[in-house]
Amino acid sequence: NAGVTQTPKFRILKIGQSMTLQCAQDMNHNYMYWYRQDPGMGLKLIYYSVGAGITDKGEVPNGYNVSRSTTEDFPLRLELAAPSQTSVYFCASRYTQNTGELFFGEGSRLTVL
Amino acid sequence: ELKVEQNPLFLSMQEGKNYTIYCNYSTTSDRLYWYRQDPGKSLESLFVLLSNGAVKQEGRLMASLDTKARLSTLHITAAVHDLSATYFCAVDISAGGTSYGKLTFGQGTILTVHP
Repeated sequence: NAGVTQTPKFRILKIGQSMTLQCAQDMNHNYMYWYRQDPGMGLKLIYYSVGAGITDKGEVPNGYNVSRSTTEDFPLRLELAAPSQTSVYFCASRYTQNTGELFFGEGSRLTVL
Repeated sequence: ELKVEQNPLFLSMQEGKNYTIYCNYSTTSDRLYWYRQDPGKSLESLFVLLSNGAVKQEGRLMASLDTKARLSTLHITAAVHDLSATYFCAVDISAGGTSYGKLTFGQGTILTVHP
């Protein structure tokens, strides 16, 4: 199984550019998440989704948008990139059950210059 | 606002020694997770603790949860170099008993094990 797959792994953006980070999972998980990790810090939740067509904000949603048209895919859109969005982005997924750990992708390292 | 604090943030250990990482959190929760992250890598799940008094062990690592004290510990026994990594605890706040898996992470503890 591929698990949680993120693309691209690395990207450099100029200030004001836009891009989409892709995330796909093949585990039939209903719950999916986007986190960001700044250097030397823990992860912070950007957005999450409990199923296709349902998304909600996390702790740090400003400057980002998400959509969830299928169970498998959960893309994260950055509009008007800013240096403060330089970070490593992790997508994760989980079974719908009330417990259980999150499964994380390999991460996407984004630099905004 | 939920706060999750780990200490120490940096831990340098000799091989063969024992040590404990502490994770304190500020709001009632009975779901706590421990993850390991190697440099430049993703997060690997270590333990899922789902009730007060839960204790889980895997190899040289043992995790426990005290929900009354809002404290979890990750104990390392007879450390070896392969345990060098960053360890995160993460707390899940349940809303009305339903967990959406929205985790709040601690800052991480960077563990270095040297000969």
